Amino acid sequence: DAGVIQSPRHEVTEMGQEVTLRCKPISGHNSLFWYRQTMMRGLELLIYFNNNVPIDDSGMPEDRFSAKMPNASFSTLKIQPSEPRDSAVYFCASSDPGQGGSSGQPQHFGDGTRLSIL
Amino acid sequence: QKEVEQDPGPLSVPEGAIVSLNCTYSNSAFQYFMWYRQYSRKGPELLMYTYSSGNKEDGRFTAQVDKSSKYISLFIRDSQPSDSATYLCAMISNTGGFKTIFGAGTRLFVKA
Repeated sequence: DAGVIQSPRHEVTEMGQEVTLRCKPISGHNSLFWYRQTMMRGLELLIYFNNNVPIDDSGMPEDRFSAKMPNASFSTLKIQPSEPRDSAVYFCASSDPGQGGSSGQPQHFGDGTRLSIL
Repeated sequence: QKEVEQDPGPLSVPEGAIVSLNCTYSNSAFQYFMWYRQYSRKGPELLMYTYSSGNKEDGRFTAQVDKSSKYISLFIRDSQPSDSATYLCAMISNTGGFKTIFGAGTRLFVKA
């Protein structure tokens, strides 16, 4: 079974450039999550979607960050303009609806995008 | 105070040892408890998933949940060098929708 697929795996770019990270969730999963992981702060939830609708974006650090989910099989996280402090590993995760669409379903992670802003 | 507290380690043990990893939490609404394993340069991988209190065993791994003490544990028997990874506990409340709260992760090294 294909897991969560993220691209690119690595991204190195200069400060001020636009960065777009992509995610394909597991087929049939209706919740999608974007996380950022750093040594200092651990795993931080940025935003999550349910049935393609953003539910909670309170973790998005500032207006430079935006996320979209145009359909059930694709999501993007965009940073514009990028800054060196955005350097981190960004993970996408998805979870299935479970019985009756209940919450509490475990998430399945991709292997992340390692982002370096110079 | 963080909602979930986890000692970051590192924890170093000899091969064959029994490993005990722990998390404490403050939100009594947490009902779903998970352990993830994360190898270097990979995403977290779901290892154990339990609902409410009790024990769950899967091979060399046992997960325990004590809701009265707000304490969860992961035991690894006969630890192997391949178990060397970061282990993250995670929890979901029965009122928090789909939001998962993660611990900081404990780095484990199993020496051959």
